[in-house]
Amino acid sequence: GEDVEQSLFLSVREGDSSVINCTYTDSSSTYLYWYKQEPGAGLQLLTYIFSNMDMKQDQRLTVLLNKKDKHLSLRIADTQTGDSAIYFCAEMEGGSYIPTFGRGTSLIVHP
Amino acid sequence: DADVTQTPRNRITKTGKRIMLECSQTKGHDRMYWYRQDPGLGLRLIYYSFDVKDINKGEISDGYSVSRQAQAKFSLSLESAIPNQTALYFCATSTRSGPTDTQYFGPGTRLTVL
Repeated sequence: GEDVEQSLFLSVREGDSSVINCTYTDSSSTYLYWYKQEPGAGLQLLTYIFSNMDMKQDQRLTVLLNKKDKHLSLRIADTQTGDSAIYFCAEMEGGSYIPTFGRGTSLIVHP
Repeated sequence: DADVTQTPRNRITKTGKRIMLECSQTKGHDRMYWYRQDPGLGLRLIYYSFDVKDINKGEISDGYSVSRQAQAKFSLSLESAIPNQTALYFCATSTRSGPTDTQYFGPGTRLTVL
């Protein structure tokens, strides 16, 4: 079955860049997503990338996709304390409409 | 007002009790989902519904049941709660317009079974 793997924790200093990594196993994944969960809240979509793309940039966020290695990363430039949250990677096969989520990476931003 | 609401937000109950968690949405979406979140395990799908007459089991449906009362309402029931059902439960909705129309999540219900 599908599997999405992420490390559980990442700690960075305010102002540095954060890179959160994700690997997936389903070669038919068509869409890949990053969600953010702030304390006490549900998940919110941050960004997504199609499997035929290798990079997407949106303000401070850069998503890189290495389809050959099935590796997805989310880079947050100039990380702020407000970026502290749990970040979930998710993949979805075209036509299924049900994403498979990773376990989430807790990003801790310290001064 | 929130687009996806869940009630209650917090609930403490005892083993063996019947519990119902409710979800309502004002987004007009056809599709609704129930997930549970456990620390270190991420999100796991319990049940999902693509329209009012459609109910499907997810990855971990044992011990749970659902009811889709209307397009806007999707309830999750625990017929006889047990301690390992202690978790954070999320309802989500989506449209059928395509995968880029993502899931929208409610704020969650924290359930504790003693």
